Amino acid sequence: QKEVEQNSGPLSVPEGAIASLNCTYSDRVSQSFFWYRQYSGKSPELIMSIYSNGDKEDGRFTAQLNKASQYVSLLIRDSQPSDSATYLCALDRGSSYKLIFGSGTRLLVRP
Amino acid sequence: EAGVVQSPRYKIIEKKQPVAFWCNPISGHNTLYWYLQNLGQGPELLIRYENEEAVDDSQLPKDRFSAERLKGVDSTLKIQPAELGDSAVYLCASSLASFGGELFFGEGSRLTVL
Repeated sequence: QKEVEQNSGPLSVPEGAIASLNCTYSDRVSQSFFWYRQYSGKSPELIMSIYSNGDKEDGRFTAQLNKASQYVSLLIRDSQPSDSATYLCALDRGSSYKLIFGSGTRLLVRP
Repeated sequence: EAGVVQSPRYKIIEKKQPVAFWCNPISGHNTLYWYLQNLGQGPELLIRYENEEAVDDSQLPKDRFSAERLKGVDSTLKIQPAELGDSAVYLCASSLASFGGELFFGEGSRLTVL
């Protein structure tokens, strides 16, 4: 079992819709969670971080964390074609000071 | 402010040849990482430096890979000899000393081994 699991996609949504990206993890000691966006041929960039259970909103992005279910998600409201990218879920176990990445979910936003 | 700079962007070599990648982190970032990213996969950590000290190299294949970070600034990752399976993108990233999960990545060095 991979430490961080993501559906590879592609997830296709129409412009203006809500895109929901999901991630599950296996190690219960994981404490910090991150979403990185990676455009094709480019390097990853951090878009959201979440550390405690519940929701965290930043503009059109909402990260949701449920540690009991070992589940973290990213919602993108009013999806735009420019949101089309691969979204990488990452976690830090707490004391390792290194990020463990999932393989990413490819999002396609149709105009 | 300049971002993380990597070179070369692309490298094509024959198997068994050596190759080296260079990285200059963001000024003031004392933590530097080398990640490997295969097609369709997430980045995997190879080595992490705190200043000039390699504090986590458990994932670095030490029989053929080596890295250094002289003077705690720029870094070089070397592969000798390269194998077909080493074809990937090598990403360098840096962060501030207080780890908050925000890594700043360079554009990467894409290696093709023929």
